[in-house]
Amino acid sequence: GAVVSQHPSWVICKSGTSVKIECRSLDFQATTMFWYRQFPKQSLMLMATSNEGSKATYEQGVEKDKFLINHASLTLSTLTVTSAHPEDSSFYICSAGRPDRAPGEQFFGPGTRLTVL
Amino acid sequence: DAKTTQPTSMDCAEGRAANLPCNHSTISGNEYVYWYRQIHSQGPQYIIHGLKNNETNEMASLIITEDRKSSTLILPHATLRDTAVYYCIAALLYGGSQGNLIFGKGTKLSVKP
Repeated sequence: GAVVSQHPSWVICKSGTSVKIECRSLDFQATTMFWYRQFPKQSLMLMATSNEGSKATYEQGVEKDKFLINHASLTLSTLTVTSAHPEDSSFYICSAGRPDRAPGEQFFGPGTRLTVL
Repeated sequence: DAKTTQPTSMDCAEGRAANLPCNHSTISGNEYVYWYRQIHSQGPQYIIHGLKNNETNEMASLIITEDRKSSTLILPHATLRDTAVYYCIAALLYGGSQGNLIFGKGTKLSVKP
């Protein structure tokens, strides 16, 4: 089946630093990728929709200047958490859809656990 | 997109069928029902989806009532590895486009030996 990878799988950083998370579709091209955030014992919350070659669409309440998304190619989207603070500590997950599959059949990455000290 | 309601948790004996219900009484005629599951500390995994007819694949079966107001996901022979949170999502997504999914709280299924 289709594979989506994320790197790194976990990261610990100091408050005020920036962290970049990569999401790659390994065996298919993804024109659209999605970024989710999940706090402990809560469900996934959609943060933004990333479209290749254009600006990301952010959900209400998500700061676009803090969570920078770049989708420079059909297989790579990056999420940069700028000036991270402890409240940004969370599980970040990306997903991608395939053009030959149903629109809601998405392939999720394994997630990146961010801890901000 | 229609809101879905699922029980918070369920238990199932290993080897038995796990039947996970979902209510989506406000679903519109062209909204699909999607099921995903999330094993602890992993990304969600697609299971199955349907519109009107019952569906079956290698992972599970999806039974949708005739009025489409509810559905049941069936794992025919649950194993310990099926322990996960199961999400039922009703989504209006257009063919040829990739739409976002809105996750609710899901059902935590615990398969016990």
